[in-house]
Amino acid sequence: QSALTQPASVSGSPGQSITISCTGTSSDVGSYNLVSWYQQHPGKAPKLMIYEVSKRPSGVSNRFSGSKSGNTASLTISGLQAEDEADYYCCSYAGSSTSYVVFGGGTKLTVL
Amino acid sequence: EVQLVESGGGLVQPGRSLRLSCTASGFTFGDYAMSWVRQAPGKGLEWVGFIRSKAYGGTTEYAASVKGRFTISRDDSKSIAYLQMNSLKTEDTAVYYCTRLVVPAYWFDPWGQGTLVTVSS
Repeated sequence: QSALTQPASVSGSPGQSITISCTGTSSDVGSYNLVSWYQQHPGKAPKLMIYEVSKRPSGVSNRFSGSKSGNTASLTISGLQAEDEADYYCCSYAGSSTSYVVFGGGTKLTVL
Repeated sequence: EVQLVESGGGLVQPGRSLRLSCTASGFTFGDYAMSWVRQAPGKGLEWVGFIRSKAYGGTTEYAASVKGRFTISRDDSKSIAYLQMNSLKTEDTAVYYCTRLVVPAYWFDPWGQGTLVTVSS
């Protein structure tokens, strides 16, 4: 069982917006603005999409955005495109007295 | 271009050891913490551990599942990070990714292509 809870799957049609949730606890997501999100296409390495809750690395489309409320972080993808179909993982700092870093179980995004 | 390339994966029997290497290029390796993250077949990502830069003591941290069995080290003169895996178990079977860890924000970028470790008799 993963430390952070994500829905197993979400889907949307091209052009639509979807949101993937990532629920942790007051010991990880709720305590630190250190949530990151990764995109992984089949057979490929993960790619950083969002860091520090809502910051986008250079080169990542502004269709990707992140937010956080309490113990739940969210990744929103607007204007869905076929190439967005992938697995998405959230990650949070969990403190030096525990496991440092925890990942979510991953969400499979299907573009219909 | 910032790049990480893993090597050393393969088939190993339970109880044996294996060492993975991660060769970095395109950035000042010694300035960064380096981490290993693994992914069992068909499963999600699992943080394995990381090593701080020498400026922060070069110390290491590990996930509970590998603590005492796995050791991360680094050779800044060669821009290589290592993952020494001892007493391997079948549940250690996974693709192992090397990734640069940005502290104190704790995000991973970039990632290597991964190397498959299969623990089986």
